[in-house]
Amino acid sequence: NAGVTQTPKFQVLKTGQSMTLQCAQDMNHEYMSWYRQDPGMGLRLIHYSVGAGITDQGEVPNGYNVSRSTTEDFPLRLLSAAPSQTSVYFCASSSYGLAGDPQGTQYFGPGTRLLVL
Amino acid sequence: DAKTTQPPSMDCAEGRAANLPCNHSTISGNEYVYWYRQIHSQGPQYIIHGLKNNETNEMASLIITEDRKSSTLILPHATLRDTAVYYCIVRVAGGANNLFFGTGTRLTVIP
Repeated sequence: NAGVTQTPKFQVLKTGQSMTLQCAQDMNHEYMSWYRQDPGMGLRLIHYSVGAGITDQGEVPNGYNVSRSTTEDFPLRLLSAAPSQTSVYFCASSSYGLAGDPQGTQYFGPGTRLLVL
Repeated sequence: DAKTTQPPSMDCAEGRAANLPCNHSTISGNEYVYWYRQIHSQGPQYIIHGLKNNETNEMASLIITEDRKSSTLILPHATLRDTAVYYCIVRVAGGANNLFFGTGTRLTVIP
């Protein structure tokens, strides 16, 4: 299993540009989420999904859109990039504490580093 | 809102036990204590979790006080590769499974 994969690893955008951060998992996990991490800070939840076709907002959703058309993929869209969105973005997935999985352990991807000029 | 309080930084000599404390005085009866760590800006990695009993796995031990208001993560023989930021998180198991990260404890293992 590849686990949770994210692309791209690095991206530079100009203010006002749009882009999509890709996230995929091959563990058949129902739950997926996006976090952002600013320098010296902990991770903050942007959006999450409890299954295909279902998404909800987290702590800091403004400026981001998500959709979940398949179990495997959970892309994060920046509609009009702003310098305040310069951050490292992490995607995570988990099951719902099924047998053998300790209470829905979350598995994180390697992150996408985004710089908005 | 932060549900946990951790010291911002700690040092530990290589080969010695690292004891990382966490206060969670407002923890609810159905909330678990989870520990994750983040090595050098990589994605966070699950370490261990517990409800009220002490837990041990291949990575660490988790000691939870009887009143559940605090806990300690123990790395029995710290190595240089254990240098990381350690996050203590309380959450209800299952459900939406959202994690609320604080700023954690930066553990530095010294040779």
